[in-house]
Amino acid sequence: DTGVSQNPRHKITKRGQNVTFRCDPISEHNRLYWYRQTLGQGPEFLTYFQNEAQLEKSRLLSDRFSAERPKGSFSTLEIQRTEQGDSAMYLCASPGQGSYNEQFFGPGTRLTVL
Amino acid sequence: GEDVEQSLFLSVREGDSSVINCTYTDSSSTYLYWYKQEPGAGLQLLTYIFSNMDMKQDQRLTVLLNKKDKHLSLRIADTQTGDSAIYFCAESPLGGQNFVFGPGTRLSVLP
Repeated sequence: DTGVSQNPRHKITKRGQNVTFRCDPISEHNRLYWYRQTLGQGPEFLTYFQNEAQLEKSRLLSDRFSAERPKGSFSTLEIQRTEQGDSAMYLCASPGQGSYNEQFFGPGTRLTVL
Repeated sequence: GEDVEQSLFLSVREGDSSVINCTYTDSSSTYLYWYKQEPGAGLQLLTYIFSNMDMKQDQRLTVLLNKKDKHLSLRIADTQTGDSAIYFCAESPLGGQNFVFGPGTRLSVLP
């Protein structure tokens, strides 16, 4: 257990619906990362927060995606008007206590868009 | 841009050593990492190496880094069936916060 939790673990939705995922990072860490992992691929970076500020967004994050981190604690990732291509595992990561820039990952939310 | 490559599959016999290879393109990477992902599970950080090191050993794991060739390898000694998983190499570019992952190597350990 890395101390990073994500909810829900699985989400099945119909194309066109909106979905929202939640990540609760390791407490007392001001950075939080979102990644997406499709079948047979490694995780791909989506976005990163320092406290409540969203500091970096990848080109993968289309305008249908929005992420927030109110109060610099938990974070939510919302996908509007889902498409079948959004089906993936969405991973949240939190830095560890070490000094080697490590990231610890939550169990992920698996999204299936029908 | 950054790119990380790995061979996709590796099969070994139980008790043998496994060597998983990775190449990366960003010479400014400060740290390089190995993660393990078992079926249905999240990513588990196995080990890391700082870019000014060429070797790191941690119990059954040995990481070798050839910075000139931008080549990283993970050696697992005395491979067990519980080592069957997908292994991801990742780099942390200098000044960047995001990790760049390879596609993963699926290790199958045969009895």
